[in-house]
Amino acid sequence: DVVMTQTPLSLSVTPGQSASISCKSSQSLLHSNGNTYLYWFLQKPGQPPQLLIYEVSNRFSGVPDRFSGSGSGTDFTLKIGRVEAEDVGLYYCMQSLLVPSFGQGTKLEIK
Amino acid sequence: EVQLVESGGGLVQPGGSLRISCAASGFTFSSYWMSWVRRAPGKGLEWVAHIKQDGNEKNYIDSVKGRFTISIDNAKNSLYLQMNSLRAEDTAVYYCTKWDVWGQGTTVTVSS
Repeated sequence: DVVMTQTPLSLSVTPGQSASISCKSSQSLLHSNGNTYLYWFLQKPGQPPQLLIYEVSNRFSGVPDRFSGSGSGTDFTLKIGRVEAEDVGLYYCMQSLLVPSFGQGTKLEIK
Repeated sequence: EVQLVESGGGLVQPGGSLRISCAASGFTFSSYWMSWVRRAPGKGLEWVAHIKQDGNEKNYIDSVKGRFTISIDNAKNSLYLQMNSLRAEDTAVYYCTKWDVWGQGTTVTVSS
């Protein structure tokens, strides 16, 4: 099984500042077809999760361009530029190269 | 509108059974792998099971193997999760998802 490890587990950010979340997988997420199956989700309070980024760096429809994903192999990063109050919630990375698995989640709060 | 709507959650005693359902609309249901994901109180998201479009390939997290069964009915655009021998640690909100679309979730509480 692929273990996903996120850091930090919590973030407190001033509105307008940037934030970064790291996600490391226990094995490479690069498929033989050239795709890397790493996703980022946000679960806002009282809501279901929502897809932010798919296959490392592709923003899902409607996701603001201040959200960006990067990385390769086993090391990945979600960056949020100019954090806004609406960004609070739990952020998760997930791999689907093998049976899916999520990171522990990173709680983003606003200062 | 693309939509997933779960139903069937509730309160069940330890050792009991429950079947939850997910009705899909607005997309070609038979074209996608579908998953069940849960979030227990105070914990993070946990993938539970998934099923291939034709129903011929299924996988489960170890903790539910032998107790839970995922199934689909493409004619009804519906996904199901039959949960047997339920335990307190199965208490969670259960979501159906194809990753870019999520339902609102259905709550399963296992308690005496």
